[in-house]
Amino acid sequence: GDSVTQMEGPVTLSEEAFLTINCTYTATGYPSLFWYVQYPGEGLQLLLKATKADDKGSNKGFEATYRKETTSFHLEKGSVQVSDSAVYFCALSNYGGSQGNLIFGKGTKLSVKP
Amino acid sequence: GAGVSQSPSNKVTEKGKDVELRCDPISGHTALYWYRQSLGQGLEFLIYFQGNSAPDKSGLPSDRFSAERTGGSVSTLTIQRTQQEDSAVYLCASSLGGGDGEKLFFGSGTQLSVL
Repeated sequence: GDSVTQMEGPVTLSEEAFLTINCTYTATGYPSLFWYVQYPGEGLQLLLKATKADDKGSNKGFEATYRKETTSFHLEKGSVQVSDSAVYFCALSNYGGSQGNLIFGKGTKLSVKP
Repeated sequence: GAGVSQSPSNKVTEKGKDVELRCDPISGHTALYWYRQSLGQGLEFLIYFQGNSAPDKSGLPSDRFSAERTGGSVSTLTIQRTQQEDSAVYLCASSLGGGDGEKLFFGSGTQLSVL
């Protein structure tokens, strides 16, 4: 079945460092890809998404490009801040596949130190 | 309301007891989802309701778990004869139409602890 694999955490960075969180997927057809974020004490919220190959999703300085050739959707940010400390989840939605819902990776915890 | 509302926010129960968790989706959203978030396990899909269609129950881990959605709005997740491995955060989400690429809006979850 469809699945998402993301890099294990936790990831600890200093403020202003470059961030990459890797995400790869397995899916039939043409899924949509998402990054969701869960800040401490808050609910999950959508960070960015891309619905077709070569699309780039971006929000709050974060970017991810839908790469069909490598089945990847890596999350990047050029200069992280302490306020970016959170758990990041990669996810896919494959309405045309077996489940009309989001399939999540296990999450990557990011800690940014001042 | 403005967002997805879940109650209770915390539930402590004894092994073997039944529990009911409630979700109020955003008004007008036709799709509703239940997920379970366990420590170190990420988010696990449980069940999905879309309008009047039969729900997708493929994620329910055992027949002790069931869910219903009344009147296309409020949903209740019931766990019978709770076990310690049921301890987790249960998250509800809703979306406008349930289509591919659609944004899900999540509630804050119910933290279930089974002693």
